[in-house]
Amino acid sequence: GNSVTQMEGPVTLSEEAFLTINCTYTATGYPSLFWYVQYPGEGLQLLLKATKADDKGSNKGFEATYRKETTSFHLEKGSVQVSDSAVYFCALSPYSGAGSYQLTFGKGTKLSVIP
Amino acid sequence: DAGVTQSPTHLIKTRGQQVTLRCSPKSGHDTVSWYQQALGQGPQFIFQYYEEEERQRGNFPDRFSGHQFPNYSSELNVNALLLGDSALYLCASSFLSMADEQFFGPGTRLTVL
Repeated sequence: GNSVTQMEGPVTLSEEAFLTINCTYTATGYPSLFWYVQYPGEGLQLLLKATKADDKGSNKGFEATYRKETTSFHLEKGSVQVSDSAVYFCALSPYSGAGSYQLTFGKGTKLSVIP
Repeated sequence: DAGVTQSPTHLIKTRGQQVTLRCSPKSGHDTVSWYQQALGQGPQFIFQYYEEEERQRGNFPDRFSGHQFPNYSSELNVNALLLGDSALYLCASSFLSMADEQFFGPGTRLTVL
């Protein structure tokens, strides 16, 4: 079946530090890959996505590249801010295009950024 | 433009009771999915509704059922509540044609005592 494994947290960084959160996946075919962010007390927000190999998703300074050869989709940001403190979830859905999508999530990585 | 809304925000029930959670999708969206997020875990897919039909279901028992109304809003019903059903229940909406972009509501926190 489909599964997502992401690095254990929590992760604590100083402001302006470089961020990497590792994510690897197991899936048949060519899944779409996502990063979602959950701020305290809120629902999940889509941060970025990539739908095919070598695609790079980016948003708000965050980036992730779909690496099929290593089945990975690591999240990176060059300089984190206190406002980036949240829980980050890596996820996949098995198809691309129209249809029915069942998102499979990792367990989440809590990021705390200190001033 | 209102996003996905869910009600109630919090709910406390006792074992064996039944509960109904409600979701209004983002304006224009026709597909609703439900997820269960246990504390410290990622969301797990329960089921998805489109055109008032359950299209896909995750690995959840029949105690979990749902409904979608003609206005695309949706309900999640859970019967015979167990302690392990305590979780944040998230609703997500999307266009069927772009169902990989799901917009999530803030969730309903269910506590079963």
